[in-house]
Amino acid sequence: QKEVEQNSGPLSVPEGAIASLNCTYSDQGSQSFFWYRQYSGKSPELIMFIYSNGDKEDGRFTAQLNKASQYVSLLIRDSQPSDSATYLCAPEGGFQKLVFGTGTRLLVSP
Amino acid sequence: DADVTQTPRNRITKTGKRIMLECSQTKGHDRMYWYRQDPGLGLRLIYYSFDVKDINKGEISDGYSVSRQAQAKFSLSLESAIPNQTALYFCATSLGTYNEQFFGPGTRLTVL
Repeated sequence: QKEVEQNSGPLSVPEGAIASLNCTYSDQGSQSFFWYRQYSGKSPELIMFIYSNGDKEDGRFTAQLNKASQYVSLLIRDSQPSDSATYLCAPEGGFQKLVFGTGTRLLVSP
Repeated sequence: DADVTQTPRNRITKTGKRIMLECSQTKGHDRMYWYRQDPGLGLRLIYYSFDVKDINKGEISDGYSVSRQAQAKFSLSLESAIPNQTALYFCATSLGTYNEQFFGPGTRLTVL
């Protein structure tokens, strides 16, 4: 079983819709969870992090965490073509390290 | 100016050559990391350092070595490059509060 599971996609949504990206993780000790956006050929860019159960909102982005279910998600409201990228989920894996999923590719069509 | 810089940005080398990838940061972060990224495999940790005197192996350290020359500089060396080390290499830094990591622009390495 992979430590971090993400659907590779692509997840296709029309412009203006809500994109929902999901991630499950196996390490019950993970306390912090990070979402990165990565454009093709570019470096990962931190979008949000969350460490408490529930929702955390930042602009068009909402991160949701459920530690009991070992599940974290990222919602992108009013999706734009510029949001088309690969989104990486990264729980903290102990000793101040992050464990990255392989990412979900999001395509937002105009 | 970029907070985290990597040199070179692209490198083509031959099997058996020793090469060094360099990372510098102006963020003042203590923690620095080296990752490689391969298609379908995601980001994998090679080495990490919490300060100049603290260096740790990651999950795929074989064939690599590192040097933390200063708080701001962390170099990755491939002792004898082989073709399956062809990948995109990223340096990252972290302040450590919640361990948010910030990535450099990456080095695309090709080993022929």
